[in-house]
Amino acid sequence: DIQMTQSPYYLSASIGDRVTITCRASQTIDKYVNWYQHTPGKAPRLLIYAASNFQGVVPSRFSGNGSGTEFTLSISSLQPEDFASYYCQQSYDTPFTFGPGTKVDLK
Amino acid sequence: EVQLVESGGVLVKPGGTLTISCAASGFTFSTYAMAWVRQAPGKGLEWVSVISSSSGTTHYADSVKGRFTTSRDNSRNVVSLRMASLRPEDTGVYYCARDSDVVAATFYDWGQGTLVTVS
Repeated sequence: DIQMTQSPYYLSASIGDRVTITCRASQTIDKYVNWYQHTPGKAPRLLIYAASNFQGVVPSRFSGNGSGTEFTLSISSLQPEDFASYYCQQSYDTPFTFGPGTKVDLK
Repeated sequence: EVQLVESGGVLVKPGGTLTISCAASGFTFSTYAMAWVRQAPGKGLEWVSVISSSSGTTHYADSVKGRFTTSRDNSRNVVSLRMASLRPEDTGVYYCARDSDVVAATFYDWGQGTLVTVS
């Protein structure tokens, strides 16, 4: 099975900060990574698919990058609505594993 | 607008059986693969299963293989998850999600979830 790891697990930041979350796969997975945002009590939301493609109306402050085994999700200027948990997920092969998540909290 | 509404989550005893469902609207249900993803209390998201548009292909997480069965009724726009031999570690919120027109394991739309408690 492909294992997904994320760093950091927890990130404390201020409004306007630039933040970057890293996701690593245990084997090469080309660009088969998706990123989701999840706020407690709400449905998870697909932000980015295939490593760098925006899904729907995603603010341009979000960006995704990477291929192979290392991927990043960046938020250029953190906004109040961005305080949430973020998960990477590989869609390369079953089982389609998620990373453990990164919680972005207000400093 | 895509809508996914899960139902059927209840309190069930260990070893018991439960079926939860997801009613879909706002898209041509019969042409999309569908998935289930769960979140245990205080934990992250865990993919559970996926079913192709025609039901010809299903995949399961190792943790539920042999105990859970996903099915769909394209005439009623419903996808279901039958959960047997339930364990306390199956407790969590179960989300249904819309995949692509093939099994791509990319979850474009999600429901609000239904809570299953095994205790």
